[in-house]
This record gives sequence, structure tokens and C-alpha cells, in this order.
Amino acid sequence: DTGVSQDPRHKITKRGQNVTFRCDPISEHNRLYWYRQTLGQGPEFLTYFQNEAQLEKSRLLSDRFSAERPKGSFSTLEIQRTEQGDSAMYLCASSSTRWGDTQYFGPGTRLTVL
Amino acid sequence: DQQVKQNSPSLSVQEGRISILNCDYTNSMFDYFLWYKKYPAEGPTFLISISSIKDKNEDGRFTVFLNKSAKHLSLHIVPSQPGDSAVYFCAASVGNAGNMLTFGGGTRLMVKP
Repeated sequence: DTGVSQDPRHKITKRGQNVTFRCDPISEHNRLYWYRQTLGQGPEFLTYFQNEAQLEKSRLLSDRFSAERPKGSFSTLEIQRTEQGDSAMYLCASSSTRWGDTQYFGPGTRLTVL
Repeated sequence: DQQVKQNSPSLSVQEGRISILNCDYTNSMFDYFLWYKKYPAEGPTFLISISSIKDKNEDGRFTVFLNKSAKHLSLHIVPSQPGDSAVYFCAASVGNAGNMLTFGGGTRLMVKP
């Protein structure tokens, strides 16, 4: 399967704990995006990278959130001191500036904070 | 402030008929629009897109229409099939598809056999 992959698919944690999610983009896609989706809503943009550089961050991305893409391939999204309001589906997407830049999404990581 | 709105949370159509999903936007800077389809427990799947220099784009059974003066776009599916049953999201960006996407809230389409 050469699509976007995300790990884990589900994560249950207790309030106050730190969690980290991983996203592997489609091979040779130079852009990688993180979105968050809550029940009944459309995805909301969080941040995106072009290669290793983080080019844009949403105001939704509080200080407790940090994303990295150290080698321009996979990316991690960490949430520190989780709160119940962080419960959501975290979606990763990738695109190629060479091939029209359409964003292709992974299956998501569903986070539940108890 | 919701910049992209899908005012119909659900739509039910008979197999073989036309499905029309609507989307309105408020930000006049948006110039690239996309439709995604989402099945439960999966990520959104890209369907079709249109740039603001066009007013129509067609791909098989799917056609997207853009009315810039009304800030409105629609997705037509003809003929509708039971496998089309899913949640459909419209999304918009400034510049091109690789920039930040702003999504609507989605419309659940149910196609009845």
C-alpha cells in the first residue's frame, strides 16, 4: 500500500499525559499536513511542512502541540498535557508540488482523552 | 466564522438519480475548490477539484460547478450508486490545492437501492 499511513490508529489516554502520533507520507511527496476533525465537523488545518521546514501553523496549534518532520520524510505530532478537548481524529495528508499539490489523506488517529 | 458552509447535513436519493451537493463560501480570496468523500473509519478521499478560472469540471459521473458571483459550488453525481453513500466535504484554498484547506461541515449522502 503506497498511501499515507498513520500510527497508531487509536489512542486512549488519561488527561495530563503526553501522546505522540506518527505519519508516513506517500513516497516522494514533499509536503505534509496535519488536520484535526471533531465529531460532526470538517477537518481543521493545524500545520504543514515542505520538506523539513514548517511553513504554516494554525492558531489552533497551542503551545502544547508540536510537530516535526526532521528528515523531510515522516512526521510526528506531539500533544503534551492532554485535555479532554483534545479528543478528536488527527488526520495527516501529503502532496507533491511536482504533481499538482492535491492533498491525499491518511486514515487518521483517533484520540480519546479520559 | 465559518468560511465554507454546507447547509444540508444529509441528503437521500434513489439509485440511478442525480445527487446534488451544495457548498457556499464567504472568503473571496478562495480560488481553488475541492470535494472529498469520506467513509467511516477512513480518511477523506479526493474526488474532484476546480480552479476559479473555470466554472465547470467533469470527471466521469462527477461534475463540479462553480458560481463565483454567488460564492457557491455544487457537486453533481449522475447516476448515483449505493457505493456513493458517504460524507462529502467541500474544501477551499487560496492559491492552489497545496495550501491550507478550509473545509465545510460535510453532507451525508445516502443512496437507496
